[in-house]
This record gives sequence, C-alpha cells and structure tokens, in this order.
Amino acid sequence: GAGVSQSPSNKVTEKGKDVELRCDPISGHTALYWYRQRLGQGLEFLIYFQGNSAPDKSGLPSDRFSAERTGESVSTLTIQRTQQEDSAVYLCASSPWGSDRELGEQYFGPGTRLTVT
Amino acid sequence: QKEVEQNSGPLSVPEGAIASLNCTYSDRGSQSFFWYRQYSGKSPELIMSIYSNGDKEDGRFTAQLNKASQYVSLLIRDSQPSDSATYLCAVAPRRGSARQLTFGSGTQLTVLP
Repeated sequence: GAGVSQSPSNKVTEKGKDVELRCDPISGHTALYWYRQRLGQGLEFLIYFQGNSAPDKSGLPSDRFSAERTGESVSTLTIQRTQQEDSAVYLCASSPWGSDRELGEQYFGPGTRLTVT
Repeated sequence: QKEVEQNSGPLSVPEGAIASLNCTYSDRGSQSFFWYRQYSGKSPELIMSIYSNGDKEDGRFTAQLNKASQYVSLLIRDSQPSDSATYLCAVAPRRGSARQLTFGSGTQLTVLP
C-alpha cells in the first residue's frame, strides 16, 4: 500500500519568504508527526496531531512555525519569514492510534529538504 | 542530561562481526523502546521494538532491555556492509505524559568489507 508522501521533495527559498510543506499520511493512521533534522544531527520533534484532539505544539521553535491537519488526512507545515537556520530536512511520520506500542511504530515520509538562501 | 543518549560514533566493525549499539534513557517510567535505522540521505525506518526486560531476537538483530539500569541495546550479528547506517534509539514516554517519542542523536555504524 501507499506509504507516507511529502511534497515538495526539495525547496529552495530566499530568506524572508514563506514556505508550505505538505504531508499525506498512511490511510487509517490517526497520529501524524512533524520532525526537523539538520545535517548530521538527530530528529527534532516539532508537532503532533492525534485524531480530533488539540495538537501538541510543544516542539515548534518559534511562532514563525505553524501546522494544520484536516481530520485524519493531509497536514501542512508552514514556515513564515524563513531564516537560514531553518534549512534542514523536514520529515513527516504517521502511526496508528496511539497506544504506547503504536506510538513507536512510526512510518516516515521521504522528507522535504529545505534550503534558505 | 539528555533524555536519550547514544554514542555518536562512528563505530566501525569488520564484516561478519557483532556490532553493539547502546542507548541510555533518563525517564524511569518509560515503557516502550524502539530502534530505527537511517541510511544516509534517507528517512528512518523501524527495525526493532522492545517492551519487556531481557532479549528480543529478530533475524540477525537482538534488542536488549534493562529497565533497572535504564539501558537498551541493539546487537547486529554477522554484520554486513549493507548494515552501514545511523541507528536511532527512541523511547516512548510514561503513560499519561506527552504522546511523542524521544529520539537519541544516533550512532553511525560502518561495516567494513
């Protein structure tokens, strides 16, 4: 079946511009996560959606970052007024309903590589 | 203190040897533990999960958990060059807390032919 998809795969933008990244999770997966991974570093949690519950935004680094999700489908991560330090790979993952075990069974998309010039 | 700690490596082992990857975590209430593999330029993929103290084997991979010592490890037997990747340890929080995994920074493994 289809996995997690993300678009675009690569995005080059000028400092100060806004960007929107898209994630399409696996059908039936109620949990959706956004992570950031800078070159050579680990995964940095950004935001988590679970069904119709309020999202966990505790990882968003600043108010320039926001995300939305429509029901249990597509999510978009928006970065306003991009800065050079926003350059990274942005990964989306989805998982089934969030028992502890299912919480860890995350399926990642291919990522969006964002470069801010 | 980081919540999940791993040696960053790089760890190099010869082909056919056992690779041992280690991870410690700070939250004693954590119940579920996961190992992800990430090839260079690719996304992480789940390879092992473990929930109870002891060993769990899956093919050439063995996950080991010791909750008293807050320690989880991954052993790769008969290592192959195709095992060369970064291995990420991930820990699920205790029940009732934030519903997100905490990832370690990863250990880079190189298996030499």
